[in-house]
Amino acid sequence: EDQVTQSPEALRLQEGESSSLNCSYTVSGLRGLFWYRQDPGKGPEFLFTLYSAGEEKEKERLKATLTKKESFLHITAPKPEDSATYLCALTGTASKLTFGTGTRLQVTL
Amino acid sequence: NAGVTQTPKFRVLKTGQSMTLLCAQDMNHEYMYWYRQDPGMGLRLIHYSVGEGTTAKGEVPDGYNVSRLKKQNFLLGLESAAPSQTSVYFCASSYTGAGGLYNEQFFGPGTRLTVL
Repeated sequence: EDQVTQSPEALRLQEGESSSLNCSYTVSGLRGLFWYRQDPGKGPEFLFTLYSAGEEKEKERLKATLTKKESFLHITAPKPEDSATYLCALTGTASKLTFGTGTRLQVTL
Repeated sequence: NAGVTQTPKFRVLKTGQSMTLLCAQDMNHEYMYWYRQDPGMGLRLIHYSVGEGTTAKGEVPDGYNVSRLKKQNFLLGLESAAPSQTSVYFCASSYTGAGGLYNEQFFGPGTRLTVL
């Protein structure tokens, strides 16, 4: 069964304090690993898709990386507006989509 | 472009009542999805559609029905609501492409449903 585990559950950073969010997974035949951002009371917003180990993608202060067992979302010099819940999801050969429970990020001044 | 819209935003039902949640998208996407989000459980797929007139079961389909009579609309029905169906429901849509099913998805704002 496909599994996604995100850590930490919650993370508090000061503005400018870089860190990484972790998404550990087990899947049969990875077809895609996705990162979404979700603000309170809103639907998730797509950030990245990664398809194979070694792949990296960047968007502003965010960089997603992928290994055979984990994906990391690196946040460089975060700002308060980066505060949100970040969700990891994946799909494999079973064509199911499995979401993690997310990491709640708070960035303070 | 409104993107993905959901109606209603909030609803309170009594056990046994029925209701329909409406999802509409104006991006001409082929794929549409219904999810529920519960604390500590992550998003779970209820049903999905790969095109007008087609529907398929997701991870947690029991107690729900769906219809996709028009490409831009995807309806989620609860025939006899139960307290276990108290949740936040999200609709999403995506285009066909290299990523296939579950390609970059665009989500609606959600419907918060409480079943008493």
